[in-house]
Amino acid sequence: EPEVTQTPSHQVTQMGQEVILRCVPISNHLYFYWYRQILGQKVEFLVSFYNNEISEKSEIFDDQFSVERPDGSNFTLKIRSTKLEDSAMYFCASSEHQISYEQYFGPGTRLTVT
Amino acid sequence: QQQVKQSPQSLIVQKGGISIINCAYENTAFDYFPWYQQFPGKGPALLIAIRPDVSEKKEGRFTISFNKSAKQFSLHIMDSQPGDSATYFCAARRSEGGATNKLIFGTGTLLAVQP
Repeated sequence: EPEVTQTPSHQVTQMGQEVILRCVPISNHLYFYWYRQILGQKVEFLVSFYNNEISEKSEIFDDQFSVERPDGSNFTLKIRSTKLEDSAMYFCASSEHQISYEQYFGPGTRLTVT
Repeated sequence: QQQVKQSPQSLIVQKGGISIINCAYENTAFDYFPWYQQFPGKGPALLIAIRPDVSEKKEGRFTISFNKSAKQFSLHIMDSQPGDSATYFCAARRSEGGATNKLIFGTGTLLAVQP
């Protein structure tokens, strides 16, 4: 069964450093998302991406964040200068098309900022 | 208006019992309501979903009941098993002219099914 994959599973970084989280969405999916989950809290939407551009972003997704689809398979989230409060699980998700609605999540990357 | 309120925060059920988790929303623009199951250290897994034009959807032991007038929906897990022990999130999709597929999640319910 196709699945969303994410690397790395755990990333430790120092405050102020740049990190790139990587995702490989399901191959025939066209819509891509990033969500985050601070430990013990609910999942929060960060950004959606379609046709090589951001379709929506949340208040959390400020200028420190960026997304990119550098090739036909990868989807990345970059945090330019990490803060302690960026520590969270980051989930990538994808959906086949807008009408299908169903979003499938990857296993997540645990980001720890020290 | 953007929130989805979920209760209870935690739930303990005996094996074979029925687990019921409730969610409520205010925004009538929501048009799709999925439930996700999450095991520790894993990503949310889509369990079952419903659209507001039906009042109930059943898949195996999992049933969503949807009350559009009350703006409430609930997940029922019949014959609950220890393997169902996980955190369950309800969510809602906001429709705004088809421009987005953003999911808004509830706060989660930690379910423990005791053998």
